[in-house]
Amino acid sequence: AQSVTQLDSQVPVFEEAPVELRCNYSSSVSVYLFWYVQYPNQGLQLLLKYLSGSTLVESINGFEAEFNKSQTSFHLRKPSVHISDTAEYFCAVNRNSGNTPLVFGKGTRLSVIA
Amino acid sequence: EADIYQTPRYLVIGTGKKITLECSQTMGHDKMYWYQQDPGMELHLIHYSYGVNSTEKGDLSSESTVSRIRTEHFPLTLESARPSHTSQYLCASRTGGAYNEQFFGPGTRLTVL
Repeated sequence: AQSVTQLDSQVPVFEEAPVELRCNYSSSVSVYLFWYVQYPNQGLQLLLKYLSGSTLVESINGFEAEFNKSQTSFHLRKPSVHISDTAEYFCAVNRNSGNTPLVFGKGTRLSVIA
Repeated sequence: EADIYQTPRYLVIGTGKKITLECSQTMGHDKMYWYQQDPGMELHLIHYSYGVNSTEKGDLSSESTVSRIRTEHFPLTLESARPSHTSQYLCASRTGGAYNEQFFGPGTRLTVL
């Protein structure tokens, strides 16, 4: 079975500062990795995903995540955050075969302070 | 833009009532999911379906039931609501393999008094 650990439940950061949201996973098989974002009073939206190939993946709004197989990590980073990035961020994992549902971490609340 | 809908968005109801939370998607996705989201924002999978007439229980034990009679519709029913059922319920759908995105509805926030 797969599991996901998001090491920080809350991350406050000042506007225009860099941020890293940490995610570690556990799996005995190859996996796909995802980051989802949830803005207040909304459902989750896909931010970015790693399937294969380049270990660095990027989103359209400046976030990036790097897959590190040896450390079983998929940390999310942004060099300069905006107020509008305030949201809940969920890391998720799925085995890369079969029909199993996504396994989500507990989420990290990113609060950007003006 | 995700075409997955949930109604109602908010529901306040008394203990003992029967309720059905609706979820519909217009994308033709075969796989659908229900999650319960704690006040602390953690997601728990409570039910899922791989297609018509397929339903499975998720990781979190739930007193709710689901049905999948049509591809686009995946309603969740609570026969007798209790205060412990107060939570947010999120519906999601996906097509194809595990590499594909799961699309989420906006959620139903349920309060049982």
